[in-house]
Amino acid sequence: EIVLTQSPVTLSLSPGERATLSCRASQSVSSRQLAWYQQKPGQAPRLLIYGTASRATGIPDTFSGSGSGTDFTLTISRLQPEDFAVYYCQQYASPWTFGQGTKVEVK
Amino acid sequence: QVQLVESGGGVVQPGRSLRLSCSASGFTFSTYALHWVRQAPGKGLEWVAAISYDGLNKYYADSVRGRVTISRDNSKNTLYLEMNNLRAEDSALYYCARGVTPTWYSAFEYWGQGTLVTVSS
Repeated sequence: EIVLTQSPVTLSLSPGERATLSCRASQSVSSRQLAWYQQKPGQAPRLLIYGTASRATGIPDTFSGSGSGTDFTLTISRLQPEDFAVYYCQQYASPWTFGQGTKVEVK
Repeated sequence: QVQLVESGGGVVQPGRSLRLSCSASGFTFSTYALHWVRQAPGKGLEWVAAISYDGLNKYYADSVRGRVTISRDNSKNTLYLEMNNLRAEDSALYYCARGVTPTWYSAFEYWGQGTLVTVSS
């Protein structure tokens, strides 16, 4: 099983700042099989990025993904008030696994 | 539009059984692999089980293998999760999810709102 470790656990930033979230895998992950999700309290997760760098339908270009092998990154170029949430990475080769999450909070 | 609606959750005693359902609409149900994902209160996401479009292939997380059965009825556009010998650690919000593409090796684009399972005496 591939273990995904996200860092930092909590990221404290102000609106308008850039957020950089990291996801490290215990073994190499195909770039076609790495995704990022956003989850707000009381809501289901929302797919942001799949295939490492492809934005899901309706996701603004302030969100971008990159990486390869064991190191992947989600970047939010300018934080909007609605971007403060918990973010999860996921690899979708079986068995499917998620990272433990990074909470982006208002500083 | 794609809709996934879970049901069947509730409070159940340890050791008992429960069957969750996920009713789907807005897409050709019989062509997509589907998944169950759970989230314990205040915790992260945990993938639970997957089933191929035709129901012939199934995959389970180690934490539930042997106690859980995923199935589907393509004539009813419904996904199921039969859970037996429930434990306190199975308490969670259970989501069904569908991928971007029909294959089960796909990111989860659509999610239901979840059904809550609480295992407690």
